[in-house]
Amino acid sequence: GAGVSQSPSNKVTEKGKDVELRCDPISGHTALYWYRQSLGQGLEFLIYFQGNSAPDKSGLPSDRFSAERTGGSVSTLTIQRTQQEDSAVYLCASAPGRNSYQETQYFGPGTRLLVL
Amino acid sequence: DQQVKQNSPSLSVQEGRISILNCDYTNSMFDYFLWYKKYPAEGPTFLISISSIKDKNEDGRFTVFLNKSAKHLSLHIVPSQPGDSAVYFCASPQDDKIIFGKGTRLHILP
Repeated sequence: GAGVSQSPSNKVTEKGKDVELRCDPISGHTALYWYRQSLGQGLEFLIYFQGNSAPDKSGLPSDRFSAERTGGSVSTLTIQRTQQEDSAVYLCASAPGRNSYQETQYFGPGTRLLVL
Repeated sequence: DQQVKQNSPSLSVQEGRISILNCDYTNSMFDYFLWYKKYPAEGPTFLISISSIKDKNEDGRFTVFLNKSAKHLSLHIVPSQPGDSAVYFCASPQDDKIIFGKGTRLHILP
C-alpha cells in the first residue's frame, strides 16, 4: 500500500511570500502530525490532528503558521509571509490513531523549503 | 531546553563491529522510548522501541538498553553493516507529540 506522500518535494520561495505544503496520509490513519527539521536540529513538533478533534497547535512557532486537515485525510500546512528562518525540511507523519501515545508514526519524505 | 539529548552528532564504525548510539533524557516521567532511522531525502522510519518496564529490548541486530536511574538509553547495532549508515533519532512521546533528539549520523566504514 501507499505510504505517506508529501508535495512538493522541494520548494524555493522569496521572503515574504506564502507557501502551502501538502500531506497525504496513509489511508485509514486518523492521526496526522507535522514536524520540521532545521539544519543541525532534531525534529520539532508543529501540529497534531486526531480524527475530528480540535488539533493540538502547541508546536506552531508563530501565527504565520497554520494547518488544516480536510475530511480527516489530506492536510495542508500554510506558512504566510515566509522568513529565511522558516527554511527547513517539513515532515508529515500519520498513525492509525488507536493509541497515539505508543503508536508507530509513519513519515513522508518531507518537503524541503528554502526561503531566499 | 532539550528534553531528549543526543550528544554525539556523528559516529564512525568499522563494518562488522558494534555501533553504540547514546541518548539521554531529562524528564523522569518519560516511560516509552523509540529509535528512528533516517536516510537522506527520506522520512524517518521506526526502528525499535522500549518501555520503561524493561531494561532491554532486542530485535535482530538491534538492541536498545534503558537505564532509568541514569536517564540514559543506548542503541546497539551488531554487526554493523553498510546499510546502517544513516541518521538515528532517539525519541519519547509526551502527551500527543513525540520529542526527538537532534540525531546521530552513523557512518559504517568498509
